Amino acid sequence: DGGITQSPKYLFRKEGQNVTLSCEQNLNHDAMYWYRQDPGQGLRLIYYSQIVNDFQKGDIAEGYSVSREKKESFPLTVTSAQKNPTAFYLCASSARDRDDETQYFGPGTRLLVL
Amino acid sequence: AQKVTQAQTEISVVEKEDVTLDCVYETRDTTYYLFWYKQPPSGELVFLIRRNSFDEQNEISGRYSWNFQKSTSSFNFTITASQVVDSAVYFCALMNRDDKIIFGKGTRLHILP
Repeated sequence: DGGITQSPKYLFRKEGQNVTLSCEQNLNHDAMYWYRQDPGQGLRLIYYSQIVNDFQKGDIAEGYSVSREKKESFPLTVTSAQKNPTAFYLCASSARDRDDETQYFGPGTRLLVL
Repeated sequence: AQKVTQAQTEISVVEKEDVTLDCVYETRDTTYYLFWYKQPPSGELVFLIRRNSFDEQNEISGRYSWNFQKSTSSFNFTITASQVVDSAVYFCALMNRDDKIIFGKGTRLHILP
């Protein structure tokens, strides 16, 4: 089955700890995205990548880092610099095709700070 | 400015009633795309529809229908004969030429049995 997987489903972070959220897709999409969702809010863009080995900051990149070494994978690291990391994190991917740039989403990871 | 407004924060209807979710957008671009996504309690966003700015035809898919009106910058979503499984948060979104999506804050829909 083609799709986007995110792991883990739940993640707990201690103070001062970096944690990495995994996102993998087998849709052969060039572009991948990370969003943050807070309760009762819409999605806010953290980082995005339109091609391997390249990525751009979104609206709320501070305290986060990403890498894009493979087309299928776009991991997100939440660093200790992110002071309020508790949120729901969603990864998405899309084809770079003007006829269809729909973003498709993974199941999400809930990050909680202990 | 680019913006998506979903003025209805929360709606409750009794099963089998029809319900319309409103979406108003702002953009300076003449080429753009509009989307609706469904977020059930599990959390994953499920793609429902994509509409480009040059296609104002209304769309129907089963019990779902969408009304796109450029004159009022609206892209409303109607569920006919609602069912309990329709309970979710629904997001309207706008994509401009820069390929970034702007989401509304969502409308939480409760379908009561």
